[in-house]
Amino acid sequence: DAGVIQSPRHEVTEMGQEVTLRCKPISGHNSLFWYRQTMMRGLELLIYFNNNVPIDDSGMPEDRFSAKMPNASFSTLKIQPSEPRDSAVYFCASTQWTGGDQPQHFGDGTRLSIL
Amino acid sequence: AQTVTQSQPEMSVQEAETVTLSCTYDTSESNYYLFWYKQPPSRQMILVIRQEAYKQQNATENRFSVNFQKAAKSFSLKISDSQLGDTAMYFCAFMKPGSGNTGKLIFGQGTTLQVKP
Repeated sequence: DAGVIQSPRHEVTEMGQEVTLRCKPISGHNSLFWYRQTMMRGLELLIYFNNNVPIDDSGMPEDRFSAKMPNASFSTLKIQPSEPRDSAVYFCASTQWTGGDQPQHFGDGTRLSIL
Repeated sequence: AQTVTQSQPEMSVQEAETVTLSCTYDTSESNYYLFWYKQPPSRQMILVIRQEAYKQQNATENRFSVNFQKAAKSFSLKISDSQLGDTAMYFCAFMKPGSGNTGKLIFGQGTTLQVKP
């Protein structure tokens, strides 16, 4: 079975540019999570969706960050304009949430470098 | 609010030996789930083991086992017969069940484990 698919795997861009990260969750999963990982802050939950609806976006650092889930098989995380401090590894994870101990399945992450 | 604390930023162990990684958490819930994830240098996040708070028996997955102490709110991971491939960052995570939480995990800061030959 295909896992969570993220693209691109690496992204290098200049400050001020728009960045779009993409995620395809595992088919049939109903919850999707976006995380950011840095040395300083560790693993931070940015936003998560259930049945394509944003449930909690309190982890989104600034208005420059936005996320969408137009359908059950696709989500994007956008940064506009990007800044060097946005450099991090961004993970997408999904789970088939039924109230129990279903674990989250992670993609391989996107390493973002803002110059 | 729930918090998860991993007090050991870095650890090392000789190959074939046993190592224990510590994790404590804070919650007022009576039932919940706990997880250990492994992140090797390839940066994948891999589920290692999980435990439900209502289950008294400690979970075991091959060389990986946990010591779950509910009263102490402690959830340590023991790796037996350590292998070079166990070198990774290990994250402890907490999940509160129930329809309002949709599978949200709260992660600790991580422990970097180095297995030495």
